[in-house]
Amino acid sequence: DTEVTQTPKHLVMGMTNKKSLKCEQHMGHRAMYWYKQKAKKPPELMFVYSYEKLSINESVPSRFSPECPNSSLLNLHLHALQPEDSALYLCASSHPGQTSEQYFGPGTRLTVT
Amino acid sequence: RKEVEQDPGPFNVPEGATVAFNCTYSNSASQSFFWYRQDCRKEPKLLMSVYSSGNEDGRFTAQLNRASQYISLLIRDSKLSDSATYLCVKDAGNMLTFGGGTRLMVKP
Repeated sequence: DTEVTQTPKHLVMGMTNKKSLKCEQHMGHRAMYWYKQKAKKPPELMFVYSYEKLSINESVPSRFSPECPNSSLLNLHLHALQPEDSALYLCASSHPGQTSEQYFGPGTRLTVT
Repeated sequence: RKEVEQDPGPFNVPEGATVAFNCTYSNSASQSFFWYRQDCRKEPKLLMSVYSSGNEDGRFTAQLNRASQYISLLIRDSKLSDSATYLCVKDAGNMLTFGGGTRLMVKP
């Protein structure tokens, strides 16, 4: 099973809302990632969790708050977002290490109004 | 200079053609490289890993030239279903850096 699932598929939220994106994998991977992808651009790394601990934060604004409750789950809590935060948010997972393929979920398409 | 650079294309080729994409990178500390394909409004899917000088998988061949710091992807006998954006990716310890992607359109 090489599947990463994400919910919801689509999300529309106002700038004062609080919402969460969810990601789940059952491949035994111990590294999980959040990426942001704008239209016609490549994915940009936001956060990396390794063994359930935050190891990389690519200077992401605090209105994005990641959480890794266990080795299979990864959440991204959203609060007070801006319209420019509208994008496709991708979750990925891999084995931790120097050379390890990352597998992506289908993404959540977020629109901030 | 971007860390990973690709020709954005589009490459318009007929079915059955052979097409090659190149990708150049900086910061040679990276151990491994990947090619991902991404269909419109879908997630990136791993196509090939490129760990040493290169490898082949069916119609797809990837080559890595560390001295010149470039990676190539060759697609033989192109199919309509190969139409997608191909992303060249550099891996430096679980941190992926993506190129801007090369768009391929295979026409009947």
